[in-house]
Amino acid sequence: DQQVKQNSPSLSVQEGRISILNCDYTNSMFDYFLWYKKYPAEGPTFLISISSIKDKNEDGRFTVFLNKSAKHLSLHIVPSQPGDSAVYFCAASARTGRRALTFGSGTRLQVQP
Amino acid sequence: DVKVTQSSRYLVKRTGEKVFLECVQDMDHENMFWYRQDPGLGLRLIYFSYDVKMKEKGDIPEGYSVSREKKERFSLILESASTNQTSMYLCASSLLQGSKTQYFGPGTRLLVL
Repeated sequence: DQQVKQNSPSLSVQEGRISILNCDYTNSMFDYFLWYKKYPAEGPTFLISISSIKDKNEDGRFTVFLNKSAKHLSLHIVPSQPGDSAVYFCAASARTGRRALTFGSGTRLQVQP
Repeated sequence: DVKVTQSSRYLVKRTGEKVFLECVQDMDHENMFWYRQDPGLGLRLIYFSYDVKMKEKGDIPEGYSVSREKKERFSLILESASTNQTSMYLCASSLLQGSKTQYFGPGTRLLVL
């Protein structure tokens, strides 16, 4: 049973427009969420994170929103650039229990020039 | 910058062979992790370690073992490789306290024939 779900396997947007990547989770013990970006043949790199005490965190062109009641988070990229084309993974960490992250299945973003 | 290195980028092995994947991190991180990445399944945790000689099973430990004799090094062992272990293997590390952010190596793409 997937505790972190990314229901859109792929997304295509035009350069300069907004990209919105979504993630849902089922475990109410998750209290910290992260987004990773992965290029082919490279390891994932940390992008942005948010604690459950917040509902928004912003870093440059990247903003993560957290809706705890809906168990939903989203990553907004504005404006999108061709270099943003990659696979994006949502991940979550629980306040108790194991220290490892639980990852979603990823969304492949393609930004068209 | 945190550096996580993996011994091989690409490996081709035969069914039944014993396979060693090595991971080294240079930031004195306590936690180290092994994941495998498969299309549509995201990153799945195989094993992790929170201290030298300590290890815990992840979500898919069957067919794998690990070794952590030194803090900076975490090895993944496929005791008898099978074709269903063909995958991308990713190593990561993180601090024990504070940030839950994990830092990933470049990955090892393993093909078992």
